Parts: sequence; C-alpha cells; structure tokens
Amino acid sequence: AQSVAQPEDQVNVAEGNPLTVKCTYSVSGNPYLFWYVQYPNRGLQFLLKYITGDNLVKGSYGFEAEFNKSQTSFHLKKPSALVSDSALYFCAVGLIFGAGTRLAVHP
Amino acid sequence: DGGITQSPKYLFRKEGQNVTLSCEQNLNHDAMYWYRQDPGQGLRLIYYSQIVNDFQKGDIAEGYSVSREKKESFPLTVTSAQKNPTAFYLCASGQLAGGPPYEQYFGPGTRLTVT
Repeated sequence: AQSVAQPEDQVNVAEGNPLTVKCTYSVSGNPYLFWYVQYPNRGLQFLLKYITGDNLVKGSYGFEAEFNKSQTSFHLKKPSALVSDSALYFCAVGLIFGAGTRLAVHP
Repeated sequence: DGGITQSPKYLFRKEGQNVTLSCEQNLNHDAMYWYRQDPGQGLRLIYYSQIVNDFQKGDIAEGYSVSREKKESFPLTVTSAQKNPTAFYLCASGQLAGGPPYEQYFGPGTRLTVT
C-alpha cells in the first residue's frame, strides 16, 4: 500500500530565506512523486514531479525537490521565499495525497 | 486552472437530496478523477476513470456515483446515502499514454454545503 506523510502542519519562514517543506513516502516498487500548490478556494496546481532520473527535480516558480531513496523522502525546497509563496502545499505519491502543509512567508 | 471547469462554484442542498457536480475538460486527457477535500485531511480519492464508459472506486466511494459517457465529461453525483457530504470537491484530469501516473490538472472546485 502507498502512503505519504507531511509531518508539519505549518511552516513559517521569513521572506528571502530558504524554505523546506517535508514529505516522506511509503511505496512498494518505483515511487511516482508529485508536489502541488493550492491557493485559497482554488484547485491544486502542479509544481513538479519525480518519475526517474536525477534526484534533484526543478519545477515551477523556482521550486525544486530532492528525492532521497534511502530516507524515502521528497522534500520541497526554494532558495529564497516570497510572500506570494504562502499557500497550502501537497505532496503526492501516485494518486495518494498527504494532508498538506501550510506555508506562511512573512515580510 | 488548466482547461478544466467545474460548476457551480458553490452549491447548497437540503439533506436527503441527491446533487450532481459537473466536471468538463478540454485537454484531451484520458483519465479523470474526483477528490474530496476536508480541512486537515488532504485530498481523498472518490472515483476515477481511465477510459470512456469505465470507472473505478477510490478510497471513499460509498454514497457517490459517477458516469463517463464522454471523454470530456465526468459528473459526480452525491447521493443521500453519503453521511457527511459537506466538503470541497475537486475534479482533475491527466494523461495516461500507457505510462506511470502523470501529473494531474485540477479544476477550481465546488464547495458543497448540505443542511
């Protein structure tokens, strides 16, 4: 069975600082991993995915994610946070979504 | 929201009534999905369809029904048998092409309130 965990309900970061949103997964076989972002009262938007290949995946809006097979993690990162990055972020393995992490970027 | 439309944006119904949520996509995607979103629980898969006239139950299909008569359309009916229907409903589509699960494109959602 597949599962995904986002251990932090909320992440707070100052504008300009690097951010990390954590995700760990459990899957038998090859993991197909995704990050999505949701703004208030909107649908989700695809950010990036890992299917195979390089462990560092680059996506939209300057986000990237690092796949770590030994730690079964797929953390979302951005070198310099913007206030406009404040939103709800979801990690997914296949069609299974985590509970979401709210990112708050403070000026 | 990537060529997927959901209507209406807000929907109010009385308990005991069935209600149908619309989802249309013009992305020519094979697969379509319905999710339910509740605060603190992320998204839970209700039904999905990979081809016209075929669909499969997701994790929480009880009290819901779907149809896939056209590639572009995947309506969801919330029946009176659904014990707690008030939620935010999200429709998504994605390409299959015989490969691994691909990214999904989501509609703007329908917020259903049942009283």
